[in-house]
Amino acid sequence: DIVMTQTPLSSPVTLGQPASISCRSSQSLVHSDGNTYLSWLQQRPGQPPRLLIYQISNRFSGVPDRFSGSGAGTDFTMKISRVEAEDVGVYYCMQATHFPFTFGQGTKLEIK
Amino acid sequence: EVQLVESGGGLVQPGRSLRLSCAASGFIFDDYAMYWVRQAPGEGLEWVSGISWNSGTIAYADSVRGRFTISRDNAKNSLYLQMNSLRAEDTALYYCAKGRGYSVYGGFDYWGQGTPVTVSS
Repeated sequence: DIVMTQTPLSSPVTLGQPASISCRSSQSLVHSDGNTYLSWLQQRPGQPPRLLIYQISNRFSGVPDRFSGSGAGTDFTMKISRVEAEDVGVYYCMQATHFPFTFGQGTKLEIK
Repeated sequence: EVQLVESGGGLVQPGRSLRLSCAASGFIFDDYAMYWVRQAPGEGLEWVSGISWNSGTIAYADSVRGRFTISRDNAKNSLYLQMNSLRAEDTALYYCAKGRGYSVYGGFDYWGQGTPVTVSS
């Protein structure tokens, strides 16, 4: 199985400041169709996960442009340009290139 | 508006069975792959199973293969998960998720609220 390793696991951030989460996969996430199926999800407290970014860098519908994704191959990053109070929650990276699909451990974003 | 509503969860004894359902609306159901993902209390996310638009491709996590069966009824816009031989470690909130396309590859874009399953004697 592909192991997804996120860092940091906890990220205290000051409101208005940037945040960054890294995700590394144990194998390349490039699919045979040429796409890289790496997504970022947000899970607010008591809520189901919500898709933020798909295929490395594409923001999903309704996601604020302060969220961005980058990377290639096995190394990926999600950035929040200016953290807002509503961004508190746990963030997961997920690969959907190889079965079984796997998630990172989650990064808890909290406000300082 | 995409809506996914799970049902069928509950308290069940080890070794027994349970069938989860997911009613979908707001999109053309038979154009998309569908999935089940679970989250044990206080834990992270675990992919359970996925099914392509026409049921031609089905995949399972090793932890459930041989015990769980995913299926769909496109005429009823519904996804199912038959869970047999349940174990304590299957205790979790089970989410239904919509795929981003017809293929099982690619990930999910919408999630339901989840249905809780507790396996305990």
